[in-house]
Amino acid sequence: GAGVSQTPSNKVTEKGKYVELRCDPISGHTALYWYRQSLGQGPEFLIYFQGTGAADDSGLPNDRFFAVRPEGSVSTLKIQRTERGDSAVYLCASSLGTSGSRQFFGPGTRLTVL
Amino acid sequence: DQQVKQNSPSLSVQEGRISILNCDYTNSMFDYFLWYKKYPAEGPTFLISISSIKDKNEDGRFTVFLNKSAKHLSLHIVPSQPGDSAVYFCAVQGRDDKIIFGKGTRLHILP
Repeated sequence: GAGVSQTPSNKVTEKGKYVELRCDPISGHTALYWYRQSLGQGPEFLIYFQGTGAADDSGLPNDRFFAVRPEGSVSTLKIQRTERGDSAVYLCASSLGTSGSRQFFGPGTRLTVL
Repeated sequence: DQQVKQNSPSLSVQEGRISILNCDYTNSMFDYFLWYKKYPAEGPTFLISISSIKDKNEDGRFTVFLNKSAKHLSLHIVPSQPGDSAVYFCAVQGRDDKIIFGKGTRLHILP
């Protein structure tokens, strides 16, 4: 596929569990972004990768959240000790990485913490 | 405090008429102003943008206007079509390329 893909599309977990959310960016896109969209809100920035390194992680809410992109392509967002307030749609986007380049979004992963 | 405000949670417009979606922002340092469209169960899709050095950008039925002195952005859709029914997010993008979104406006196009 030509677009950004995210797996799983839905994830239901129990409070306190660990989850991993995966993002496959568009081939050739060096920049990758994670956003979180809570109910009734717009997407909120979490973290941005340029290549393999996290260029800006200022949006991560606390140290339970961590993301990696070891080979500069696929990224995994990891959430430890999940809380009910983590329930949201987690969106991934990728871009060519040049200033002002358009970000293309995936369909998101809907995380529900019971 | 919200940097991007969309004060209308929803808007209903008759098919064929003009839809006008509004947005206000608080910071003058942004380079690009964007509109994204979102259907249920899909990610946001880029619709149109405008650079901070311009005051109007047009793409087919979609026109974005930027009033820097008022820190106001608007999206005009004319004529409105049923497929335009979606949530529209106003957003700003600075030199760090982070996008800051508003809360969105749900547009309903009535037959």
